[in-house]
Amino acid sequence: RKEVEQDPGPFNVPEGATVAFNCTYSNSASQSFFWYRQDCRKEPKLLMSVYSSGNEDGRFTAQLNRASQYISLLIRDSKLSDSATYLCAVSNQGGKLIFGQGTELSVKP
Amino acid sequence: DTAVSQTPKYLVTQMGNDKSIKCEQNLGHDTMYWYKQDSKKFLKIMFSYNNKELIINETVPNRFSPKSPDKAHLNLHINSLELGDSAVYFCASSQEARNTEAFFGQGTRLTVV
Repeated sequence: RKEVEQDPGPFNVPEGATVAFNCTYSNSASQSFFWYRQDCRKEPKLLMSVYSSGNEDGRFTAQLNRASQYISLLIRDSKLSDSATYLCAVSNQGGKLIFGQGTELSVKP
Repeated sequence: DTAVSQTPKYLVTQMGNDKSIKCEQNLGHDTMYWYKQDSKKFLKIMFSYNNKELIINETVPNRFSPKSPDKAHLNLHINSLELGDSAVYFCASSQEARNTEAFFGQGTRLTVV
């Protein structure tokens, strides 16, 4: 079993749609959680950290469920510019930042 | 000013050659990483250094040898390159080894022919 797993994708949605990504992790001792965005042929960039209480940044909402060991990312009112690969990342006490395989999102007009 | 910079951006080389990729960060971070992203886009950690000391060494062939001359630099040397080494190699840094987000360089696209 992979340490961090994501929805396989790709997700093809129309503009304005709401889309949700889930990510599960296997190490219950994991301490920090993140969502990254990676555009084609570019480096991953931090989208947002995920906090226990959940957090929101504009159209993006991230949530953490420690009991079930998953994190989620909700994107409301999708824009064409949201098209990218979304990677969840989990770090443990040893400082290892592990990424999921990524979910590709394509927003169509 | 680029925060995490890698050179070269592209590298095409023949099997059996030895090559190096350099990475520098000007963020004052303590921890640096090398990741490999294969053709399936899976981003896999290879090594992590904290203040010049190796703290993570994943199951990577010993043809790959990282070197950190100081905490702002982490280079990756690869001996006897193989076709399967073709991938994008990303350097990253974070404030500390635990619980902080990582910032990535633009990647080095290595093609072994």
